[in-house]
Amino acid sequence: NAGVTQTPKFQVLKTGQSMTLQCAQDMNHNSMYWYRQDPGMGLRLIYYSASEGTTDKGEVPNGYNVSRLNKREFSLRLESAAPSQTSVYFCASSGHRDRGRGEAFFGQGTRLTVV
Amino acid sequence: AQTVTQSQPEMSVQEAETVTLSCTYDTSESNYYLFWYKQPPSRQMILVIRQEAYKQQNATENRFSVNFQKAAKSFSLKISDSQLGDTAMYFCASPPSGTYKYIFGTGTRLKVLA
Repeated sequence: NAGVTQTPKFQVLKTGQSMTLQCAQDMNHNSMYWYRQDPGMGLRLIYYSASEGTTDKGEVPNGYNVSRLNKREFSLRLESAAPSQTSVYFCASSGHRDRGRGEAFFGQGTRLTVV
Repeated sequence: AQTVTQSQPEMSVQEAETVTLSCTYDTSESNYYLFWYKQPPSRQMILVIRQEAYKQQNATENRFSVNFQKAAKSFSLKISDSQLGDTAMYFCASPPSGTYKYIFGTGTRLKVLA
């Protein structure tokens, strides 16, 4: 049982380069999320997708774009990477039919360094 | 807006002892859920325990239990018989009722000492 799978696990980018973080879940969950984790700041929501076909901004969306490709997949794109985007990125999904009641399941994270 | 606060950045405990991690939150909701997640050095986020606000009884999962004080908006995690494998970051989280967003605290780094 894979759960939430995100790739890559590690990435180094040069300032200005672009990249896409991929995420897929096999739990038939409706909702998917992208968080970033920085020291002392916990996890902050970048974007989320409540259901297939919808996406919404979270707390820190600037510099990112997302695509909910289908029910399983939710990608995060950095168009022009900046050193401030150095962070650990987590994809998560949740599936409780009542919003805000079920726990989120997380991928293993991507450590991204922008130099 | 809903907020979640963890005021202890770091804690340590001797193996086999008990430790309590604090979490407070602010919400105007009457029904909501609260979670504690563990993040070991592997980086994986693991659900430890969940509490439903409308339930009076504190949730328990083996050595992990919560002290839920709804009026005080406090949701602390008690770890009994601490083990070396409990060394991790612990995050308190709450999704505002009716939304899809999970709000996380800033975390408490727990070190269990041999």
